Amino acid sequence: AQSVAQPEDQVNVAEGNPLTVKCTYSVSGNPYLFWYVQYPNRGLQFLLKYITGDNLVKGSYGFEAEFNKSQTSFHLKKPSALVSDSALYFCAVREEGSQGNLIFGKGTKLSVKP
Amino acid sequence: DTGVSQDPRHKITKRGQNVTFRCDPISEHNRLYWYRQTLGQGPEFLTYFQNEAQLEKSRLLSDRFSAERPKGSFSTLEIQRTEQGDSAMYLCASSFGTGQGNQPQHFGDGTRLSIL
Repeated sequence: AQSVAQPEDQVNVAEGNPLTVKCTYSVSGNPYLFWYVQYPNRGLQFLLKYITGDNLVKGSYGFEAEFNKSQTSFHLKKPSALVSDSALYFCAVREEGSQGNLIFGKGTKLSVKP
Repeated sequence: DTGVSQDPRHKITKRGQNVTFRCDPISEHNRLYWYRQTLGQGPEFLTYFQNEAQLEKSRLLSDRFSAERPKGSFSTLEIQRTEQGDSAMYLCASSFGTGQGNQPQHFGDGTRLSIL
């Protein structure tokens, strides 16, 4: 069965340091992968996606993600964290055979301290 | 650019009552999705429309749940005879696409349902 795992419930980073939020996936075919961010009492905002092509994907707000097929991972990264990056981050994979239904991980809470 | 709009933002109701939520997608988007998000979890897919056709509804949680998109624009999600376990955030998302659905979905801010 398809699934997405975010192994860390929370990631703590000091402002200005690099951040990584981890995601691993399980699909039988080629994955369509997405990262979203959610601020309190708000909906999800799209950050970036991987469909095919370059393994390093650049997205909004300085975020990027690295697709690694051998490790079935799609980790979210940012070279220098901001306090305003503090939020809940979700990794998602498009459900195979669907026309866009997403399967989400449980989310990782990112806390960036000054 | 007007985003996805959901109404109401909050709904408090007594167990056993019926509730209806509305979603207005981005105007040029032909695809519309409903998800449910409970505390500490990622969104869970419920149903999907392409234009006015409901192409996936087997994930609706029970026969108390139904959704419509009568003219291919706005959509409604109805829950009949609400139960405590229905308390959650209900999210609507839209996208434009044909084929395999690799376009990002744009989410509304959700309707938070609380059952007393």
